[in-house]
Amino acid sequence: NAGVTQTPKFQVLKTGQSMTLQCAQDMNHNSMYWYRQDPGMGLRLIYYSASEGTTDKGEVPNGYNVSRLNKREFSLRLESAAPSQTSVYFCASSEIGTVNSPLHFGNGTRLTVT
Amino acid sequence: TQLLEQSPQFLSIQEGENLTVYCNSSSVFSSLQWYRQEPGEGPVLLVTVVTGGEVKKLKRLTFQFGDARKDSSLHITAAQPGDTGLYLCALKTNAGKSTFGDGTTLTVKP
Repeated sequence: NAGVTQTPKFQVLKTGQSMTLQCAQDMNHNSMYWYRQDPGMGLRLIYYSASEGTTDKGEVPNGYNVSRLNKREFSLRLESAAPSQTSVYFCASSEIGTVNSPLHFGNGTRLTVT
Repeated sequence: TQLLEQSPQFLSIQEGENLTVYCNSSSVFSSLQWYRQEPGEGPVLLVTVVTGGEVKKLKRLTFQFGDARKDSSLHITAAQPGDTGLYLCALKTNAGKSTFGDGTTLTVKP
């Protein structure tokens, strides 16, 4: 099984450019998440979607927008990229129903903004 | 304010040594998850601890949840180079969001 698939794997943008990071999961999970990971700062939640049709802000939402296109897909958009958005972006999914259900992560998108 | 504090931040040891990493909070949490992340990959769940005082073993890894449910530890016996990675603790809220500590980067040298 593919699990959680993220595209692209790498991206370099100039300041002010826009792009969309794609994420798809094939585990029929209801909840999906976008995190960013910076050196020494762990994983910080950008946005999440508890179920199809709903999205909510996480800890660091400024500069980002999301779309829960359907149950499988959850995209993250940078409208005007800034160097502070240089990071590794991870998409994750989980089942709802129990507070202990694990997150299943993709392998990340490494974004550099110059 | 960091909800979860992990220590040490970095740890470099020789193959065969034992080690313990810690995850602490000033708040009580209902459960805690430990993940391992290898370079170039996303984190993968190792274990979930739920009950205060609980001990879980996964081969050479022993996870403990503090009696007061405010701290947890991960002990690795006879570390191997394959244990190298970033170890993250996380707690999940009832709303379904997970909050992560900053992690412990472990390097095991052959």
